[in-house]
Amino acid sequence: SYELTQPPSVSVSPGQTARITCSGDALPKQYAYWYQQKPGQAPVLVIYKDFERPSGIPERFSGSSSGTTVTLTISGVQAEDEADYYCQSADSSGSYWMFGGGTKLTVL
Amino acid sequence: QVQLVESGGGVVQPGRSLRLSCAASGFSFSSYGMNWVRQAPGKGLEWVSVIWYDGSNKNYADSVKGRFTISRDNSKNTLYLQMNSLRAEDTAVYYCARGGQAGDFWGQGTLVTVTS
Repeated sequence: SYELTQPPSVSVSPGQTARITCSGDALPKQYAYWYQQKPGQAPVLVIYKDFERPSGIPERFSGSSSGTTVTLTISGVQAEDEADYYCQSADSSGSYWMFGGGTKLTVL
Repeated sequence: QVQLVESGGGVVQPGRSLRLSCAASGFSFSSYGMNWVRQAPGKGLEWVSVIWYDGSNKNYADSVKGRFTISRDNSKNTLYLQMNSLRAEDTAVYYCARGGQAGDFWGQGTLVTVTS
């Protein structure tokens, strides 16, 4: 198994761009996924396969990948985007998942 | 629409057992791998177990291996997690999630509290 590392917290003002990184040695070989979790709610998938956006997810959410780091970018952050964000990856056969420690996004 | 509804959580003493269920609807349950993921109070997400669409393959996190058993009944569109020899550190909200490489739909979770 391997680890995924995220910053514990990121803070931005409304309208600015938030970038949340996730680092792991296996990320060049495996896709990354991003979830948003608001207090008391289940996680919601916001990015899959590094940069694909599920239907219903606002266009301000985007993903990118470079080497061992993937990045979730939220452009024009809104107050409703304040949440915990988790990156996740899996082994090639889908036999196990691993999660980053999570990043708390605060909208100032 | 896709729905996943967990049940079976509760308060249990250390060493005892509990079985969680996840009732699926709105999609072809037998076509999807399914996972259990848990979240201890105030902590991050921890993957627990996966079962392939046909039940032919299962895997577990090291923290639960040998104590938890995942299963499914495709005729009932239901996923299960049998939890034995429960420990205080198993206290968490347990979510079921659809998907092989990632969870595209999640249930609302069921709380398991292990305490004496």
